[in-house]
Amino acid sequence: AQSVTQLDSQVPVFEEAPVELRCNYSSSVSVYLFWYVQYPNQGLQLLLKYLSGSTLVKGINGFEAEFNKSQTSFHLRKPSVHISDTAEYFCAVSGPGGATNKLIFGTGTLLAVQP
Amino acid sequence: KAGVTQTPRYLIKTRGQQVTLSCSPISGHRSVSWYQQTPGQGLQFLFEYFSETQRNKGNFPGRFSGRQFSNSRSEMNVSTLELGDSALYLCASSSTGTRGTDTQYFGPGTRLTVL
Repeated sequence: AQSVTQLDSQVPVFEEAPVELRCNYSSSVSVYLFWYVQYPNQGLQLLLKYLSGSTLVKGINGFEAEFNKSQTSFHLRKPSVHISDTAEYFCAVSGPGGATNKLIFGTGTLLAVQP
Repeated sequence: KAGVTQTPRYLIKTRGQQVTLSCSPISGHRSVSWYQQTPGQGLQFLFEYFSETQRNKGNFPGRFSGRQFSNSRSEMNVSTLELGDSALYLCASSSTGTRGTDTQYFGPGTRLTVL
C-alpha cells in the first residue's frame, strides 16, 4: 500500500531565504507524486506533479521538486520565499493503479515565513 | 471556467443530527472525490463518484454516504453525527480521475462543527 511521510510538521524560515520541505513515499509500484498548498480557510491548490520523465519538476509560484526513486523522496524547494508563501503544504501520492481520484496525503508541513 | 464550489461553507450541527453537503464540480468533470480533513487524522479519502456510481470508497463507517447526479453534482450525507465528525470536508473534481494527467481541483471546503 502507498503511504506518504512528511517529517517536518512546521518549518520556520526568514523571508528571501531558501526552503526545502521534505516528503518521502512508500510504494511497491510506480506512482504519481503531487504537492498541494492550502492557504488559511481555503481548499487545496496544486503546486506541481511528477508523472514521469525529468526528475526535476517545476511548478507555480517559483516552487520546484525533485523526484528521487532510490531514496523514495519528492522534496519541495524554493530558492527565495516570500511572506505570501506562508501556508500548509501537502505531499500526496496517487492511489492504487495510479488513480488520481484517490490521493493519499501526508500530514502536511506548515511553512511559516517571517519578515 | 468556474472552479469547484461547495455549499454551505460553514455548518453547525448537534450530535445525532444528520447533514448534507453539496459539491458542484468544474464543468465537464465527471469524477468527484470527497476528503475529510481534521487536525488529528489529516486528509483522508472518503469516496469517489464517477458517472453517478461510487467507484472508490475509503475506510469510513456507513454513516457517511454520498451520491452523484446526472449533471455530476455530488452530495455527501453524514447521519447520526458524532463530535469526531467535526472537520473540513473537501470536494475535488477531475476529468476522469484515473489518469495522472488529470489534475484534481479542490473546492474551498465545508467546515462542519458538531456540538
